[in-house]
Amino acid sequence: GESVGLHLPTLSVQEGDNSIINCAYSNSASDYFIWYKQESGKGPQFIIDIRSNMDKRQGQRVTVLLNKTVKHLSLQIAATQPGDSAVYFCAENKILTGGGNKLTFGTGTQLKVEL
Amino acid sequence: GAGVSQSPSNKVTEKGKDVELRCDPISGHTALYWYRQSLGQGLEFLIYFQGNSAPDKSGLPSDRFSAERTGGSVSTLTIQRTQQEDSAVYLCASSSRTGGSQPQHFGDGTRLSIL
Repeated sequence: GESVGLHLPTLSVQEGDNSIINCAYSNSASDYFIWYKQESGKGPQFIIDIRSNMDKRQGQRVTVLLNKTVKHLSLQIAATQPGDSAVYFCAENKILTGGGNKLTFGTGTQLKVEL
Repeated sequence: GAGVSQSPSNKVTEKGKDVELRCDPISGHTALYWYRQSLGQGLEFLIYFQGNSAPDKSGLPSDRFSAERTGGSVSTLTIQRTQQEDSAVYLCASSSRTGGSQPQHFGDGTRLSIL
């Protein structure tokens, strides 16, 4: 079956350090993957996505790496800031019959930035 | 506003009552999704609307759950005869197009508590 899971439920980093959040998936049929950030009491906020035909994509202070061989996805945050504290979800996208996208989310990783 | 709007933000009701949750998607977005998020968990897909096509209801947990989308814009999720296990945050998302890498934009959700 399909599943998206995370290696660590909580990650604590010092302000200014780089953060790496990992995600494992089992469904190789997915066409792309998305990282979301969710702050307390808020809805998930899109960070970055990557298509299955890519292995790396960079955004502002964030980089997503995709290793299809071992079905592993990671989110790297450079120079982590207190505002980065949140729960991070990876999500696996599946195209629905009607053409829409169904996201399957992992449990999430709580990132805590220590001053 | 420019984002996805959900109301109410919080809803407390007694077991057995019916509840209606509302979602106003981003203007012009043709795809609309409902998810459920239990405490400390990832998001569970419920239902998807795309234009005038029949909705994908594959994620609805029981026949007590239903949703409609009027005029291709506002959507209402209805839960009949609520049970305590229905307590969760219900999130709505919309996207501009279907297929490919179209990120979903989320509202801040409705926190539903069943007493």
